[in-house]
Amino acid sequence: LAKTTQPISMDSYEGQEVNITCSHNNIATNDYITWYQQFPSQGPRFIIQGYKTKVTNEVASLFIPADRKSSTLSLPRVSLSDTAVYYCLVGDKNDYKLSFGAGTTVTVRA
Amino acid sequence: SQTIHQWPATLVQPVGSPLSLECTVEGTSNPNLYWYRQAAGRGLQLLFYSVGIGQISSEVPQNLSASRPQDRQFILSSKKLLLSDSGFYLCAWSFPSGSNQPQHFGDGTRLSIL
Repeated sequence: LAKTTQPISMDSYEGQEVNITCSHNNIATNDYITWYQQFPSQGPRFIIQGYKTKVTNEVASLFIPADRKSSTLSLPRVSLSDTAVYYCLVGDKNDYKLSFGAGTTVTVRA
Repeated sequence: SQTIHQWPATLVQPVGSPLSLECTVEGTSNPNLYWYRQAAGRGLQLLFYSVGIGQISSEVPQNLSASRPQDRQFILSSKKLLLSDSGFYLCAWSFPSGSNQPQHFGDGTRLSIL
């Protein structure tokens, strides 16, 4: 499984765009990149998944460069309710042992 | 649509007592099922996963065990709890192997050992 590295924490203000970059230098050809969001005392919630280029949904965008050795989760115009821990995971469809590291704690201030 | 139920939400148990946490999934068949534990301020540690009834894989040697008596039921147990078993326990499901569908988590059980 590819190891991922992401910042421990990030601070932002309401209305700003938050970009969280995850490094995964050893990503394999069949690996997908998946991001989860976790609020205190709740289970993680799937946000977005991608393989290459750009993926966008109603919550976030995921940018993946051509070499796929990193990815950036972009949260547009964050609000206080976006304060959470964000996890970046890399694995293929047969990976059961997805590794949730410490994630990135994003704190949004008024 | 699929839903996952996990209970109880909180549990306080004395050291040495038994444990049984239950998780059920509705709206899908033959899901992959997972048990995770999360210590305060830490990431998730995969404890067990199951790809079918009676099929359990253990990731971490410990005094916990898991069972899958029915297709959509996953149980986490212990005969004698240790102080180190305290934590936030999460159950999750995903579609069977061969898809890139993500895992979907329950609301967790906060377990405190006294």
